[in-house]
Amino acid sequence: DAKTTQPPSMDCAEGRAANLPCNHSTISGNEYVYWYRQIHSQGPQYIIHGLKNNETNEMASLIITEDRKSSTLILPHATLRDTAVYYCIVRDTGRRALTFGSGTRLQVQP
Amino acid sequence: DAMVIQNPRYQVTQFGKPVTLSCSQTLNHNVMYWYQQKSSQAPKLLFHYYDKDFNNEADTPDNFQSRRPNTSFCFLDIRSPGLGDAAMYLCATSGILGEQFFGPGTRLTVL
Repeated sequence: DAKTTQPPSMDCAEGRAANLPCNHSTISGNEYVYWYRQIHSQGPQYIIHGLKNNETNEMASLIITEDRKSSTLILPHATLRDTAVYYCIVRDTGRRALTFGSGTRLQVQP
Repeated sequence: DAMVIQNPRYQVTQFGKPVTLSCSQTLNHNVMYWYQQKSSQAPKLLFHYYDKDFNNEADTPDNFQSRRPNTSFCFLDIRSPGLGDAAMYLCATSGILGEQFFGPGTRLTVL
């Protein structure tokens, strides 16, 4: 699986959009980009995934650059409950398991 | 609600005393995983089952074993826990779409 690079930490004001970047410059054509988050002392939670097109669901939007070398997870209106570690993971469709990197610790400030 | 359940949430064992952690799922997913997460680190895959087919990660110590008696249940056995095995153990499942659903974890303390 391709490696990912994320900033170790970010702050965001409550009610504002949180934009979390991820670099995956060695991604290959059959690798998807997944985002998970882990709130303190809980199991990771699936957020969204995509291959090349932008994706949106009830939790977030995923923007993938045209060359697929980077992506951004957008939480449109961050709340205090969005404070968590966010993991960007690139996964080959032929591999079932996830390889977690160090993630971004997002702190939403009141 | 369909979910992944882990019992117990907190487990204390003694150095060298075998311990078993359990995981059950109501999602009817064919893949189940065990991850280890040490303090301030990311989860690390230990092994997974695709139906009854067991897949061990190359660097998973022999001290860790797993059993999956049926689709719903999966167990993690630690034969001789050491102090370095203290961690959060996470169970997860995935179905045909690939996204994984995690349980709340079992926090293991080794005295």
